[in-house]
Amino acid sequence: ETGVTQSPTHLIKTRGQQVTLRCSSQSGHNTVSWYQQALGQGPQFIFQYYREEENGRGNFPPRFSGLQFPNYSSELNVNALELDDSALYLCASSLAGQGAKNIQYFGAGTRLSVL
Amino acid sequence: GEDVEQSLFLSVREGDSSVINCTYTDSSSTYLYWYKQEPGAGLQLLTYIFSNMDMKQDQRLTVLLNKKDKHLSLRIADTQTGDSAIYFCAESGGATNKLIFGTGTLLAVQP
Repeated sequence: ETGVTQSPTHLIKTRGQQVTLRCSSQSGHNTVSWYQQALGQGPQFIFQYYREEENGRGNFPPRFSGLQFPNYSSELNVNALELDDSALYLCASSLAGQGAKNIQYFGAGTRLSVL
Repeated sequence: GEDVEQSLFLSVREGDSSVINCTYTDSSSTYLYWYKQEPGAGLQLLTYIFSNMDMKQDQRLTVLLNKKDKHLSLRIADTQTGDSAIYFCAESGGATNKLIFGTGTLLAVQP
């Protein structure tokens, strides 16, 4: 158990809809990273939030956006869903800052299916 | 560029040792990681190694790092059926310490 929780566990949406995925970070962690894992692939970095601001972004379009809250929990929002957005979305929390190792611990993921 | 490569599949017999290999490209990575993923589950951090180390041992797991060849390996001693899973190698990059993953190695343990 990593202490990182994600909700919901499964979600089915139709093309064009919007979705919000949620993540609660491990106690004491201040950074949340989001990854997309397509079937049969390794996870791909979407973006990272540190102290409520975006702190780096992967090769994903602007319709992927996020938030981090004062308690360090986070949301991933995806607008105008496409079929290719079907994937397992993983949240990882870590402790960043001077002297911290920034080792990432993952939640169980949210499986999104877009029909 | 950033790229992490792994072999796709490894089959071993219960009780044997398993060795999963990985090559990476970013020589500036601070840490290199091994994660385990069971069917339908998230990623479990198995172990990590700091880039200035050559070897790290943790119970049945041994990680070897060859920085010159940018090669990382994970050895699992006395492999059990519960070790059957997909194993991902990852390097960390940049100010965000974002993880760059390989495509994963499916380890199948035969009883």
